[in-house]
Amino acid sequence: GAGVSQSPSNKVTEKGKDVELRCDPISGHTALYWYRQSLGQGLEFLIYFQGNSAPDKSGLPSDRFSAERTGGSVSTLTIQRTQQEDSAVYLCASSLRDGYGYTFGSGTRLTVV
Amino acid sequence: EDKVVQSPLSLVVHEGDTVTLNCSYEVTNFRSLLWYKQEKKAPTFLFMLTSSGIEKKSGRLSSILDKKELFSILNITATQTGDSAIYLCAVEDNNDMRFGAGTRLTVKP
Repeated sequence: GAGVSQSPSNKVTEKGKDVELRCDPISGHTALYWYRQSLGQGLEFLIYFQGNSAPDKSGLPSDRFSAERTGGSVSTLTIQRTQQEDSAVYLCASSLRDGYGYTFGSGTRLTVV
Repeated sequence: EDKVVQSPLSLVVHEGDTVTLNCSYEVTNFRSLLWYKQEKKAPTFLFMLTSSGIEKKSGRLSSILDKKELFSILNITATQTGDSAIYLCAVEDNNDMRFGAGTRLTVKP
């Protein structure tokens, strides 16, 4: 596609449930990033994929968070046993290896009730 | 439609040069404008601007917001090779944060 696509755009879930967030990067972009954005706060880095290399998971806040990237393209961020503090906008971005074309998706707004 | 537009998309300068990066926006219910420096994997927060005409400064970097004309500039003086990065502008409204496409700055020795 022309841009980075994220789905769903909004998700309301009950505390304790698992959620999956999807990111479809720009075709040909080898780098994919997940961030979390809470209103009034800066971006929080979660995880970074670059080609076939092992992902950089250093930003994941707990073991309830995990992410996969299948076939070097689509990525799924999974949050298990959601908590209210997980409520945020989850942003995905992709770029070419050297950072060119760095583009954000429109995000998934997650609300845990 | 709400949008954030950065210019230029790409910029190549030599060490010691001064650069000005631009960010214009159309956002309903504006709250703040943020500048980030994107290197490798995670953006580094630079500035948050909420009021017009008040310059924020950090070392060689400075930024100012014009809420009437709906834009902000980020200035970098005496550029160094370590300033090479993608500079992102984001605008926050009551519900969301929207990012521009970034300006890729390359500083050559």
